[in-house]
Amino acid sequence: AAGVIQSPRHLIKEKRETATLKCYPIPRHDTVYWYQQGPGQDPQFLISFYEKMQSDKGSIPDRFSAQQFSDYHSELNMSSLELGDSALYFCASSSSGGLGETQYFGPGTRLLVL
Amino acid sequence: GDSVTQMEGPVTLSEEAFLTINCTYTATGYPSLFWYVQYPGEGLQLLLKATKADDKGSNKGFEATYRKETTSFHLEKGSVQVSDSAVYFCALGSLKTSYDKVIFGPGTSLSVIP
Repeated sequence: AAGVIQSPRHLIKEKRETATLKCYPIPRHDTVYWYQQGPGQDPQFLISFYEKMQSDKGSIPDRFSAQQFSDYHSELNMSSLELGDSALYFCASSSSGGLGETQYFGPGTRLLVL
Repeated sequence: GDSVTQMEGPVTLSEEAFLTINCTYTATGYPSLFWYVQYPGEGLQLLLKATKADDKGSNKGFEATYRKETTSFHLEKGSVQVSDSAVYFCALGSLKTSYDKVIFGPGTSLSVIP
């Protein structure tokens, strides 16, 4: 069965650079979520989109922005990168706006900021 | 706000031992409850879930029962294997908005030794 696809899988950037992470949800899933997992930490919710509109917002820094496109894929844009942004970034998808539906996670993008 | 508490790790067990990882939650209403597993260097995989009180989720020999009266969702397995070594996250689907976000516990690292 098709799963959530994230690209790139690994990314190395320097401080103050920008990065764009991409997420392709499971086919027919209309809701996308972004999470950040720091080293040794549990994943923390950043932001979500339903039908191309932002549906919820968590602990996402102002330096980050995200959007969902007409084909339901999503991109997380990160600017002015800081060392503390080094983490594993997960995308998850679900159907029907997410209410009561299971979220399926992608393999994650590991970002290292030097 | 909604939160999840798990027993502290790391947990080290011998192969074929009985496993219990305690999980309790605080939430408004009756959220869906999940156990996710993260194998070394990999992403999050849904292990099992329960969507209402007294539901039992099960998968790969793991079980957890949604206990509303004790607000718990303890993970159990009768006989662990070396391949079960991973970090286990208890999680709930927040019902604060119409679009659930998953709130994770801190994770419990399990090491199974031969």
